[in-house]
Amino acid sequence: AQKITQTQPGMFVQEKEAVTLDCTYDTSDQSYGLFWYKQPSSGEMIFLIYQGSYDEQNATEGRYSLNFQKARKSANLVISASQLGDSAMYFCAMREGLGRDDKIIFGKGTRLHILP
Amino acid sequence: ETGVTQTPRHLVMGMTNKKSLKCEQHLGHNAMYWYKQSAKKPLELMFVYNFKEQTENNSVPSRFSPECPNSSHLFLHLHTLQPEDSALYLCASSQDNGLIREQFFGPGTRLTVL
Repeated sequence: AQKITQTQPGMFVQEKEAVTLDCTYDTSDQSYGLFWYKQPSSGEMIFLIYQGSYDEQNATEGRYSLNFQKARKSANLVISASQLGDSAMYFCAMREGLGRDDKIIFGKGTRLHILP
Repeated sequence: ETGVTQTPRHLVMGMTNKKSLKCEQHLGHNAMYWYKQSAKKPLELMFVYNFKEQTENNSVPSRFSPECPNSSHLFLHLHTLQPEDSALYLCASSQDNGLIREQFFGPGTRLTVL
């Protein structure tokens, strides 16, 4: 079974609209972390936002927010007021385990296209 | 220079060649990683080094050989590769001292095996 599921292989969104990228996860750990990364065509993975499993409030970083619904095991990324430069691959990832045994697992990604 | 750098950015090699990928991090981190990114597949973690010791090897074929001479440098030695090894190889680093282990990635090496 997949640990991280991103159901949207591709999305097209009009510039300035808000975007929600879906991510669901599967873990039996109580302590875990969720990440979103952006990968432009240049290839570099850029960290966007982090949510810890014990964080009560949804994480926000500028135009990025993480809609964390623990009971549903969902960690959707919301991008407000999308820009052309937001066109990229977006990966959801989860860290589970403790200390040196922890692992970071990535989803297959969603390709986001922002239309002018 | 800051962040995580990788050289070369592009590499084309034959199946009988030997080459090495280099990664350098200028962030003072103590953990480094090699990932393989193939088309339409999730990132695959290959190797993890914590404090220069290899802590993870995810069943990677022996034709890939990592080396971590110090906490700032990580190499991936390649020999007798196969065409299916063509992929983007990403290096990352993190500070392994707490729950949050945000990884900082390099720009990657695009490898093509002929």
